[in-house]
Amino acid sequence: DIQMTQSPSSLSASVGDRVTITCRASQTISNYLNWYQQKPGKAPKLLIYAAFNLQGGVPSRFSGGGSGTNFTLTISSLQPEDSATYYCQQSHTPPQTFGQGTKVE
Amino acid sequence: EVQLVQSGAEVKKPGESLKISCKASGYSFTSNWIAWVRQMPGKGLEWMGIILPGKSDTRVSPSFQGQVTFSADTSLTTAYLQWNSLKASDTATYFCARQATRGESDYWGQGTLIIVSS
Repeated sequence: DIQMTQSPSSLSASVGDRVTITCRASQTISNYLNWYQQKPGKAPKLLIYAAFNLQGGVPSRFSGGGSGTNFTLTISSLQPEDSATYYCQQSHTPPQTFGQGTKVE
Repeated sequence: EVQLVQSGAEVKKPGESLKISCKASGYSFTSNWIAWVRQMPGKGLEWMGIILPGKSDTRVSPSFQGQVTFSADTSLTTAYLQWNSLKASDTATYFCARQATRGESDYWGQGTLIIVSS
């Protein structure tokens, strides 16, 4: 299985801060990397697909980058509604594993 | 509008069987894989596997192989997740999701909470 490792596991930041979450794959996955946001009691929401493509309706302060094994999710100006847990997922090879999550407060 | 609507919460005893559903609408049901994802209480997301409705082609995570069964009824545009013998460790919320072209899950069901307790 491809292991996905996110860092940090949690972070605390202020409104307006720039926040970056990293995700590392145990083997190359090209750009088959997706990012999701999950709020408590809710289903995950797709933010970024194929490493850097913004899903429709997602604010432009979210951006993704990277390829191969190293990827990033950046929130350019953190807003209160961005408090959530963020997950990366590789969709290159089944099982399509998730990272362990990053809680943003 | 694409929608995935899952069946309601269940409370079951260990050893019982269960089948939960995911009703899809707003798109061609046989064109996209459906993924199942587990989330145990207070934990992260775990990819269980995918099914391609119509062809009943499946890919199951080794962690769940032999523990669950995926199926789909194209006439009802509904996907199913089934257990033959539940364990307490199956207590979790289960999500279905539609997979798009790069494997991303772009639409999600609301989740089904399963509690297994004697």
